[in-house]
Amino acid sequence: GQQVMQIPQYQHVQEGEDFTTYCNSSTTLSNIQWYKQRPGGHPVFLIQLVKSGEVKKQKRLTFQFGEAKKNSSLHITATQTTDVGTYFCVKGSGNQFYFGTGTSLTVIP
Amino acid sequence: NAGVTQTPKFQVLKTGQSMTLQCAQDMNHEYMSWYRQDPGMGLRLIHYSVGAGITDQGEVPNGYNVSRSTTEDFPLRLLSAAPSQTSVYFCASRSGTGSSYNEQFFGPGTRLTVL
Repeated sequence: GQQVMQIPQYQHVQEGEDFTTYCNSSTTLSNIQWYKQRPGGHPVFLIQLVKSGEVKKQKRLTFQFGEAKKNSSLHITATQTTDVGTYFCVKGSGNQFYFGTGTSLTVIP
Repeated sequence: NAGVTQTPKFQVLKTGQSMTLQCAQDMNHEYMSWYRQDPGMGLRLIHYSVGAGITDQGEVPNGYNVSRSTTEDFPLRLLSAAPSQTSVYFCASRSGTGSSYNEQFFGPGTRLTVL
């Protein structure tokens, strides 16, 4: 129903490698948000996407919203140890928010 | 601005005990919410409020009560704690309500263990 599926669940990369996490919904999304949670911390907002095919960049992070507005991705170029954490996509529906299961990123120095 | 604050940081309860998790925000946000986070899972919405005097259920409301008497405060009450309520609880707030979908600001969390 309201679930957003996120893959992979875990990803280990060598420092300097790229990383991508994918978020998929069975229903059309009006918007998608991305949050990052550092180990032991709380979720912190990264970005919101609302338009079909939208692409937004934040330094080494690239966020995409699918043309059909049913999927989204977050790509990190040349990972650094500061990128460690869990990345969540979040679907908004009225006053409710549905978090994906998250992708836990480990960066090996 | 302190943002969103939560107390306590840690709590251990025995089955059947009751307690209140406190949440406060100083950003004058209309929308406040409570989530729980269990290992290997994303955050799940428990209850939310779009303003003082207005609350509604989220995805997993059973076993929890909320009230919103002021804009700033949104306490979460466990009436009779159960081991299944062992989790990390996050409070969040945002400006606007409904489909404005502004970013949510999260508190630092309360780690609750029910024995």
